[in-house]
Parts: sequence; structure tokens; C-alpha cells
Amino acid sequence: EAQVTQNPRYLITVTGKKLTVTCSQNMNHEYMSWYRQDPGLGLRQIYYSMNVEVTDKGDVPEGYKVSRKEKRNFPLILESPSPNQTSLYFCASSSRDRYGYTFGSGTRLTVV
Amino acid sequence: AQSVTQPDIHITVSEGASLELRCNYSYGATPYLFWYVQSPGQGLQLLLKYFSGDTLVQGIKGFEAEFKRSQSSFNLRKPSVHWSDAAEYFCAVGEGGTALIFGKGTTLSVSS
Repeated sequence: EAQVTQNPRYLITVTGKKLTVTCSQNMNHEYMSWYRQDPGLGLRQIYYSMNVEVTDKGDVPEGYKVSRKEKRNFPLILESPSPNQTSLYFCASSSRDRYGYTFGSGTRLTVV
Repeated sequence: AQSVTQPDIHITVSEGASLELRCNYSYGATPYLFWYVQSPGQGLQLLLKYFSGDTLVQGIKGFEAEFKRSQSSFNLRKPSVHWSDAAEYFCAVGEGGTALIFGKGTTLSVSS
């Protein structure tokens, strides 16, 4: 089944403790992206990648890192999480030729 | 700057009635336009997309949308709403498959 898989689905952590949210897609998509969703603010792009080793900032990149060492994986790293990063995070991927992001099921992160 | 406006935060429609969700965008060039649906606790599912050609596009689940360049609009329609259509709907605009900008969403409730 074609899908974007995120892990974990739920995560509660403490301020300052580094964490990684994994994202993997099995559709051989070139584009991958991370979004956060907050009430009243909608979805905002954190980072995106157009291909392996090519990443760029979205609208809200502060406090986040990403890497794209393999085409299928695009992990989101929070080096020192803070409470304002409590949010619902979505990973998404898209083919370069057939546009339209496919989204993962989301990761609900709570930073206390 | 590119932006997407969904004027209606919440809409209630009777089951079996028709539906129209509004989306207005601001974009320099001819945009790529998308509608996504998010059911509670779920990720986003692509309903339909417009890149070029016929301005009336058909999507999944009986939805359609019409691109009107003169009005900078891309409204989503369905002739007869089912209770299972209750969800949050997002309009998005972008260039290619990378940076998608989302509206803040419209929550659809369906009454019996």
C-alpha cells in the first residue's frame, strides 16, 4: 500500500530533551515536507526537500532540523524542544511529475 | 505574498443538501490548487487538484471544484452531502510540489 509512515503517533517529552520524528514513504517520491498544524493557524510548512541531500526552510523552521540522506526517509529533529513546539506534525510526500502531497497520519507532540 | 483565504470557519449543512466551500487565493502566476479533507484524528486526504485545462475538476467522494481566474477562487462543491462528509476541509495553493500554502480550514457539520 502506498503510504507515508510517521512514528511515533503520540509523544510527550520534557523541555530540552532531543527527539526525532521519523517519516518514511514507499512511493519513490522526490518531494517531502514537514508541516505543523495548530488551532486557528492551520498548517504551516516547517521544511521541505526536493530530493536527496536537498532541503530548504519553510515558513516556520526555527527550532527544527531535517535531513534527507535517503530518498524514502525525511526525519524531523528537535534538538532542544520547547513548549511552543507542542503541536500536531504531518509529514508529506509528492511526486515531482504528479503533484499533490500524500500525508502521513500525524504525530501529536506535547512538550512539558 | 501568496495566501489562501477560506472565509467560512464553520458551515452546517443538512444531509442531502448541496454544499459549496469557498476558497480565494492570492498568487502571482497561475497556481496549482488543491482541496484536502481531514477527518477527526486523521491525516489529510487529497480530494482534487487543478493545474491547467478544464476549469471544472472532478475529485473523489463526489466532490468537484471550479477554478475562476477572474475571481481568484477555487470553490469546492458537492450536490448531495452525506453524514460521512463531516470533516475539516483545506484549500491549498502552491507552485509545483514543494511549498504548499494552506488556508485555515472550514469545518463542515452535517445535520440529519
